[in-house]
Amino acid sequence: AQSVSQHNHHVILSEAASLELGCNYSYGGTVNLFWYVQYPGQHLQLLLKYFSGDPLVKGIKGFEAEFIKSKFSFNLRKPSVQWSDTAEYFCAVNRGATNKLIFGTGTLLAVQP
Amino acid sequence: GAGVSQSPRYKVAKRGQDVALRCDPISGHVSLFWYQQALGQGPEFLTYFQNEAQLDKSGLPSDRFFAERPEGSVSTLKIQRTQQEDSAVYLCASSLFRTGLYNEQFFGPGTRLTVL
Repeated sequence: AQSVSQHNHHVILSEAASLELGCNYSYGGTVNLFWYVQYPGQHLQLLLKYFSGDPLVKGIKGFEAEFIKSKFSFNLRKPSVQWSDTAEYFCAVNRGATNKLIFGTGTLLAVQP
Repeated sequence: GAGVSQSPRYKVAKRGQDVALRCDPISGHVSLFWYQQALGQGPEFLTYFQNEAQLDKSGLPSDRFFAERPEGSVSTLKIQRTQQEDSAVYLCASSLFRTGLYNEQFFGPGTRLTVL
């Protein structure tokens, strides 16, 4: 079945550690890719998106993600995390024709001060 | 408004009751989506509106779920004869364009439905 996979369900890091969250999708053809973040008690917010062009995209708060088409991956990275990055992170794919977002199951990140 | 709003934020229903969840999208946004997010899961697509037309309802889990957007702005998701498995957060999202690429969705805070 077509899907979006996030391999890390829970990640615990200390402040200043580097972060990489994996995301793989199983759709062929043209895809739009997204990372959303949900801070405690808040709604889903867009962190970054890839539509076309440079496969390395930069988002808010120092996050970036790299689209590797051959690996069907869109991993999220941040060189140095902060306590305020504690949140749940969702990868999503939008097939252009349908418009709906297909989400992964999410990764809960806890950053310890 | 400045963002997508949803009401109520929390709803507790007894099994068998009908509920109605409201979504106010960003003004001028053509597309409106409903998603269901169960505990520990990512959001799952329920239905999609382009203006007042419901173009995709493939994600609605049963005929107890019904959504409408009669004037192409506010939308209501109705669940009849609620069951415990309906307990979830119901998210609404809107986007500016109709379909195709470059269509970013903006999410509301969600309605947390608990069915007892």
